[in-house]
Amino acid sequence: GEDVEQSLFLSVREGDSSVINCTYTDSSSTYLYWYKQEPGAGLQLLTYIFSNMDMKQDQRLTVLLNKKDKHLSLRIADTQTGDSAIYFCAERYNFNKFYFGSGTKLNVKP
Amino acid sequence: SQTIHQWPATLVQPVGSPLSLECTVEGTSNPNLYWYRQAAGRGLQLLFYSVGIGQISSEVPQNLSASRPQDRQFILSSKKLLLSDSGFYLCAWSRDRGANYGYTFGSGTRLTVV
Repeated sequence: GEDVEQSLFLSVREGDSSVINCTYTDSSSTYLYWYKQEPGAGLQLLTYIFSNMDMKQDQRLTVLLNKKDKHLSLRIADTQTGDSAIYFCAERYNFNKFYFGSGTKLNVKP
Repeated sequence: SQTIHQWPATLVQPVGSPLSLECTVEGTSNPNLYWYRQAAGRGLQLLFYSVGIGQISSEVPQNLSASRPQDRQFILSSKKLLLSDSGFYLCAWSRDRGANYGYTFGSGTRLTVV
């Protein structure tokens, strides 16, 4: 984890867009991931992006990758109260090993 | 479909007591299995991974050990727990050895050592 950084909290109103940011350190990372953790539960894989892509869209989720700045973001369109959770970014640094960020807690206000 | 089970969900253990957490995967064969720990307010730390029965790789020297007695069973153990072992323990599996498509995590075990 210490090589992957995320802001700790984000608060948005229902219906707005949320943007969760992440910076990573290993420029050779080939895959980057976003996971969602609801209270008391394990992590759920939301989406991933290959390093040769700049953007990936999956329904309400848009992932943007800036390899030059080693910056990854997750945009959630039309954020709902059910999106309230902790979001983790992760980079694969070696074969099957990942660095995870410490998570961004998203609070969606009705 | 594949599912991953972890138990127990919560555990309170005294310092110096032993530990055994179990994880099983259903619906697939020869999964790659992982144990992670999530300390409060921090990211996940890889503890162990296994690519097959009896094959365990340790990532962090510590008070814990892991075993894989069966293809779809992964066990995390300790002979004597320390206060610092408290945390949220997550088991995960990946279909491919490189985990290219990420992990599937279990629901976790919250361990409090008192």
